[in-house]
Amino acid sequence: DTGVSQNPRHKITKRGQNVTFRCDPISEHNRLYWYRQTLGQGPEFLTYFQNEAQLEKSRLLSDRFSAERPKGSFSTLEIQRTEQGDSAMYLCASSLAQGGSSYEQYFGPGTRLTVT
Amino acid sequence: AQTVTQSQPEMSVQEAETVTLSCTYDTSENNYYLFWYKQPPSRQMILVIRQEAYKQQNATENRFSVNFQKAAKSFSLKISDSQLGDTAMYFCAFIPRGGATNKLIFGTGTLLAVQP
Repeated sequence: DTGVSQNPRHKITKRGQNVTFRCDPISEHNRLYWYRQTLGQGPEFLTYFQNEAQLEKSRLLSDRFSAERPKGSFSTLEIQRTEQGDSAMYLCASSLAQGGSSYEQYFGPGTRLTVT
Repeated sequence: AQTVTQSQPEMSVQEAETVTLSCTYDTSENNYYLFWYKQPPSRQMILVIRQEAYKQQNATENRFSVNFQKAAKSFSLKISDSQLGDTAMYFCAFIPRGGATNKLIFGTGTLLAVQP
């Protein structure tokens, strides 16, 4: 297993367009998380899934944001009608669901979104 | 509210020397995990070390060790024998154990530069 992967790595879009990012977690990990990181800040939690169920959403996840994990494997994060304030690095992480190691989250390389 | 504070935005250390990065946190939880993550320039976030709050013994991983002071809510990272590859942004993070949330709460990071 090569770890958490994310695609695309970079995305440039014009304001008002929709974008979709994909995350493939570590294969045996049941939990999948999305975070957003702006320049000079630590990552901020957006949402997380356990298998296909979305169990927690941050108030940062406005109505323009939607995340899915339809088969409990990969996940997508869609942003509709992008705004310049959406420009950030979008990070995906995964973890086990049971045991002490369930608190260790492993991160992907991120998708850097630039909204022009 | 649970918060993590890293009061050193930037630090510099000479190669082979020792450096300590500071982190304080605020929580009413009694049981939780603390982590240090490393984010090298343009590379993905890597878990460096973790500490369980109910364990009094400080965690150690090779050249990395922590000084965990639960009463003071302090969690510093010591890097011994600093190497050029240690140059990165370092984030302190917190997660409550067994609670209703599984989100990591991050500090704003400390940018560490190891000088040759």
